[in-house]
Amino acid sequence: EAEVAQSPRYKITEKSQAVAFWCDPISGHATLYWYRQILGQGPELLVQFQDESVVDDSQLPKDRFSAERLKGVDSTLKIQPAELGDSAMYLCASSTGQGPSYEQYFGPGTRLTVT
Amino acid sequence: AQSVTQLGSHVSVSEGALVLLRCNYSSSVPPYLFWYVQYPNQGLQLLLKYTSAATLVKGINGFEAEFKKSETSFHLTKPSAHMSDAAEYFCAVSLYNQGGKLIFGQGTELSVKP
Repeated sequence: EAEVAQSPRYKITEKSQAVAFWCDPISGHATLYWYRQILGQGPELLVQFQDESVVDDSQLPKDRFSAERLKGVDSTLKIQPAELGDSAMYLCASSTGQGPSYEQYFGPGTRLTVT
Repeated sequence: AQSVTQLGSHVSVSEGALVLLRCNYSSSVPPYLFWYVQYPNQGLQLLLKYTSAATLVKGINGFEAEFKKSETSFHLTKPSAHMSDAAEYFCAVSLYNQGGKLIFGQGTELSVKP
């Protein structure tokens, strides 16, 4: 069964350092989402792509976060510089299309700890 | 703006007992509603979803949920809890005009006692 791949699974970094996460969606899935899940809370959308275009990045802290999906396949989320408050699980999800009728498939996540 | 409230951050039941996890939503238009399960250090797995076809929705692993518009609720139930049901459960809402973005509740941790 096809799955969303994410790496690394765990990352520890010091504050003010740069960090990057990678996501490879299920093949053929045009829509890709990055969510952030702070411990004890539900996930919150950071950015949504349709193919290589950003559809929604209204909740992305653009002063330090960036996301790209250059060829409309895999995606990278970067934080520079990392802050203590960025410690969270970063989840990637993909779907065949936009809209709530399309099921989102989630990857295992990257757990970031900023020290 | 739409939102989701899950009543109770922790629920504990005995094995074989009824599971009831509560979810209320706020939306100005008919929403799509979802329940997801998350096991420790894993991603989210879809349990079931409501898309306006039927108010009683059956999902995987014996779970079901009933959409009640008058109560703006979408509570998750399972007649008999199993030890393997211990996990975090999230209710989520999505609107058709917002590109599929999921808005999640804060989650309910379910513990199952032997």
